[in-house]
Amino acid sequence: DQQVKQNSPSLSVQEGRISILNCDYTNSMFDYFLWYKKYPAEGPTFLISISSIKDKNEDGRFTVFLNKSAKHLSLHIVPSQPGDSAVYFCAADYGGSQGNLIFGKGTKLSVKP
Amino acid sequence: GAGVSQSPRYKVAKRGQDVALRCDPISGHVSLFWYQQALGQGPEFLTYFQNEAQLDKSGLPSDRFFAERPEGSVSTLKIQRTQQEDSAVYLCASSLVETNYEQYFGPGTRLTVT
Repeated sequence: DQQVKQNSPSLSVQEGRISILNCDYTNSMFDYFLWYKKYPAEGPTFLISISSIKDKNEDGRFTVFLNKSAKHLSLHIVPSQPGDSAVYFCAADYGGSQGNLIFGKGTKLSVKP
Repeated sequence: GAGVSQSPRYKVAKRGQDVALRCDPISGHVSLFWYQQALGQGPEFLTYFQNEAQLDKSGLPSDRFFAERPEGSVSTLKIQRTQQEDSAVYLCASSLVETNYEQYFGPGTRLTVT
């Protein structure tokens, strides 16, 4: 049973428009959430994160929203650029002293010029 | 500066062979993680080191998997008697402090067992 779910395997968006990637989780003990971006043949790279005590975190074109009651988070990319085309992973952590992450299956974003 | 490096990048092994995968974390990073990523899946946690101490190995799928980090820097993931189901990308990540969630990943080693 997956604790972090990304139900859309792929998403296609026009350049300049908004990309919205969604993630649901089942465990209310998660206290930190992250988004990673992955290009082919490379490891995931950290993009943005949010603590469970917040509902929004913004970094340039990237904003993550957290709805704890719905156990849902989303990543907004505005405006989308062709270089944003990659696989995006949502990840969650229980906190404590270890920090090993629990990942979703990923959503492949394609931004078309 | 140099990021996390892994070697080899690709490894083909015949079923039953032993393999060793190497990870060089970012210099000075305390924590080191190994993940396994099967095709079409997200990375799944295998094991975690804080310096040379292996604090969590709950994700290792069987006793054929063994990891070490003897001097608190370079780590090796060893798989004995490889099976086809071991075919995956093995990712190493490091982070600066014990509870730093922002892990830096290497490019991974793609293991194919034939």
